[in-house]
Amino acid sequence: EVLLVESGGGLVQPGGSLRLSCAASGFSVSSNFMSWVRQAPGKGLDCVSVFYTGGATYYADSVKGRFTISRDTSKNTVYLQMNSLRAEDTAVYFCVRGVDTVLGLSLDYWGQGALVTVSS
Amino acid sequence: QTVVTQEPSLTVSPGGTVTLTCASSTGAVTGSYYPNWFQQKPGQAPRALIYSTNNRQAWTPARFSGSLLGGKAALTLSGVQPEDEADYYCLLYFGGAQPWVFGGGTKLTVI
Repeated sequence: EVLLVESGGGLVQPGGSLRLSCAASGFSVSSNFMSWVRQAPGKGLDCVSVFYTGGATYYADSVKGRFTISRDTSKNTVYLQMNSLRAEDTAVYFCVRGVDTVLGLSLDYWGQGALVTVSS
Repeated sequence: QTVVTQEPSLTVSPGGTVTLTCASSTGAVTGSYYPNWFQQKPGQAPRALIYSTNNRQAWTPARFSGSLLGGKAALTLSGVQPEDEADYYCLLYFGGAQPWVFGGGTKLTVI
């Protein structure tokens, strides 16, 4: 069974840092691309970062230079290091598995989400 | 900045049929954008429904179908059930500097 479990969310002051973890089971994070998608309160979904199987990464302009995505294949875990946090980073952060198959691209499994609140 | 547009809200009666659409500011949506559709109920994580235009996930009921319609990606719900009331998001793949872009979501009401 595929499972994604996020942890590390919480309340942080503006300018502070947090590291989110996404522990995966039922598959290998090295065989899939992994994404972090966030949802601000009452808003829609926004893809903030992707770690591709070959090691390439993507960051949304809004987080570039402040967030870093990484993976530890020995722990089968993906991380999102978030620095210089701003109020507008307040959101639920979802870890999402991506699949590249002969039929195309799919974001199929989602974690339950980790709430990050940036406030003084 | 690429924008993906969905209807903000739609209403459908139980047992009815409704089509949600997903448009791109760059022009017509084709299969190479690998349209994905997600359902989200209040307080829950999104759940994947459709990928690459018209492929159901293993858990997606047959009443959900995806297609391309008039230059847009489309999600059609046939024989709508009360439990289908939710927010629906589409996702398009553009590659390059802004690979994945979500639509703003459609709030589907079943009454």
